[in-house]
Amino acid sequence: NAGVTQTPKFQVLKTGQSMTLQCAQDMNHNSMYWYRQDPGMGLRLIYYSASEGTTDKGEVPNGYNVSRLNKREFSLRLESAAPSQTSVYFCASSRLAVSTGELFFGEGSRLTVL
Amino acid sequence: AQSVTQLDSHVSVSEGTPVLLRCNYSSSYSPSLFWYVQHPNKGLQLLLKYTSAATLVKGINGFEAEFKKSETSFHLTKPSAHMSDAAEYFCVVSEPTSGYALNFGKGTSLLVTP
Repeated sequence: NAGVTQTPKFQVLKTGQSMTLQCAQDMNHNSMYWYRQDPGMGLRLIYYSASEGTTDKGEVPNGYNVSRLNKREFSLRLESAAPSQTSVYFCASSRLAVSTGELFFGEGSRLTVL
Repeated sequence: AQSVTQLDSHVSVSEGTPVLLRCNYSSSYSPSLFWYVQHPNKGLQLLLKYTSAATLVKGINGFEAEFKKSETSFHLTKPSAHMSDAAEYFCVVSEPTSGYALNFGKGTSLLVTP
């Protein structure tokens, strides 16, 4: 089972460039999430999509946009990358409501902004 | 408001000895609490969860955690550490007043020595 697949796994950008992180899940989950992980900070929620057709801001949405393309896919876009966006980005999905805490994570996308 | 504090950023144990990873939480309501594990260069995986049922919760790979309301703690334990337990561990809290958003602790890195 593929589970949650993220692409690309690594990316280096220059300040001001744009890029899109792709995420797809094959578990027929309704909810999908984007987190960023920084050293000593744990995970912080950027955006989430409770169901197909809806998206909502999380704790740190500034500088990002998302698209829930269909039930399987949830992309994260950086329109004008900044060094502060250097991080590891994780996509996750859940079958049940987020209150159950049962999220399935991808392996992460490591982004460096120079 | 909800939050978690992981009391140790790094814990080192010898193989075969007990593991204790400490987590304190702050919540205005009865929270749901979780432990996640992240092996190097991998995504996070749910280890166990507490959702107001039994206070002693058993998870995968021999881990368990006890919810102690009087101490506002949810410490993770394992009787005997294995080399494969070396990973980053995250304590996570969720409560209804925050829309059940998951609030991650900053993580504890577990090192297991031969």
